[in-house]
Amino acid sequence: NAGVTQTPKFQVLKTGQSMTLQCAQDMNHEYMSWYRQDPGMGLRLIHYSVGAGITDQGEVPNGYNVSRSTTEDFPLRLLSAAPSQTSVYFCASSRGTDTQYFGPGTRLTVL
Amino acid sequence: DAKTTQPNSMESNEEEPVHLPCNHSTISGTDYIHWYRQLPSQGPEYVIHGLTSNVNNRMASLAIAEDRKSSTLILHRATLRDAAVYYCILNSGYALNFGKGTSLLVTP
Repeated sequence: NAGVTQTPKFQVLKTGQSMTLQCAQDMNHEYMSWYRQDPGMGLRLIHYSVGAGITDQGEVPNGYNVSRSTTEDFPLRLLSAAPSQTSVYFCASSRGTDTQYFGPGTRLTVL
Repeated sequence: DAKTTQPNSMESNEEEPVHLPCNHSTISGTDYIHWYRQLPSQGPEYVIHGLTSNVNNRMASLAIAEDRKSSTLILHRATLRDAAVYYCILNSGYALNFGKGTSLLVTP
């Protein structure tokens, strides 16, 4: 099992550009989520999904869109990047409310 | 959401036991106590969790107070590889509410 994979590992964007962070898991987990982590801080929940076709907002959803068309994939879209979105983004998956497995992260810089 | 309180940082010598405290005075009956850790430049990883009874696994032990208002993560013999930020999280649903955690420094 590859577990939770994220691409790209690093990304630099200019203000106003859009992009999609990819997240995939091969554990057949129904629950997937996206977090962001700013320097020196804990992780904050952006969006989550409890199954294909079902998504909901977390603590800091503004500026981000998600969709869940398959069990395996949960992409995060930045609509119009802003410097405040410079952060490290982590994707996680779990079977229900069980242990969550995290990906290695995507380090995003918005200039 | 019920919150947890942890010290910002702790230090330990290598090969000595480490006790990481967590206070959660507003815990509800359905909240599980989860511990995750985050090694430098990596995503968080699960350590251990429990509801009421003390728990042991290959990584650590979790001691839960009888009133459940506090818990302690115990690393029996700290190694340099255990240097990380440790998060104590109350989980009763899907979302994990990460605070700032405790940064553990392990010195040789």
